[in-house]
Amino acid sequence: AQKITQTQPGMFVQEKEAVTLDCTYDTSDPSYGLFWYKQPSSGEMIFLIYQGSYDQQNATEGRYSLNFQKARKSANLVISASQLGDSAMYFCASAGDSSYKLIFGSGTRLLVRP
Amino acid sequence: SAVISQKPSRDICQRGTSLTIQCQVDSQVTMMFWYRQQPGQSLTLIATANQGSEATYESGFVIDKFPISRPNLTFSTLTVSNMSPEDSSIYLCSVVLDSITEAFFGQGTRLTVV
Repeated sequence: AQKITQTQPGMFVQEKEAVTLDCTYDTSDPSYGLFWYKQPSSGEMIFLIYQGSYDQQNATEGRYSLNFQKARKSANLVISASQLGDSAMYFCASAGDSSYKLIFGSGTRLLVRP
Repeated sequence: SAVISQKPSRDICQRGTSLTIQCQVDSQVTMMFWYRQQPGQSLTLIATANQGSEATYESGFVIDKFPISRPNLTFSTLTVSNMSPEDSSIYLCSVVLDSITEAFFGQGTRLTVV
């Protein structure tokens, strides 16, 4: 079974500052992927970044990077140079490489202050 | 990535009626899934839409309530049957392209049952 834990229900960050959103996971799959999605108030789920369990390097996509610590079972999202448009819900998710089913955490609401 | 068109984007329905949600992808995809997001909650997997065969449902979801079709590799429908106010949620289709590194969502259907 898989479980995703996001312990920060809400976060504030000042515009142009960096912010880290926490995510820990528990999985029995030997090979798996970790995802971060952004959900604005419109409800759509926007894919941000992916990290494979066997990837040696941390994933990066523009201002997003994933701090992957396999031994600690953590996959924190780092957003650099926050923008007002980054205000949204952020969900961490995992999926086994065999099932492809995404299991989501409870989410973190990020508010960027001007 | 893929262009995923989900219709309708929102609807308000009377209790006891049914609504069919469509998900169209602009390319053939390996896997298609349907998720539900109840108000203020995270996403929960309803079922895997299998091409040409019956969907595979997760615990707590049944075919009579959420019949799913997937006639080909680019299209799927989810029907919410005999609706009650508790079915008010955002329903999202998700697709996996060639590998688990690419998992995307449609825009979502915001359903309100009155």
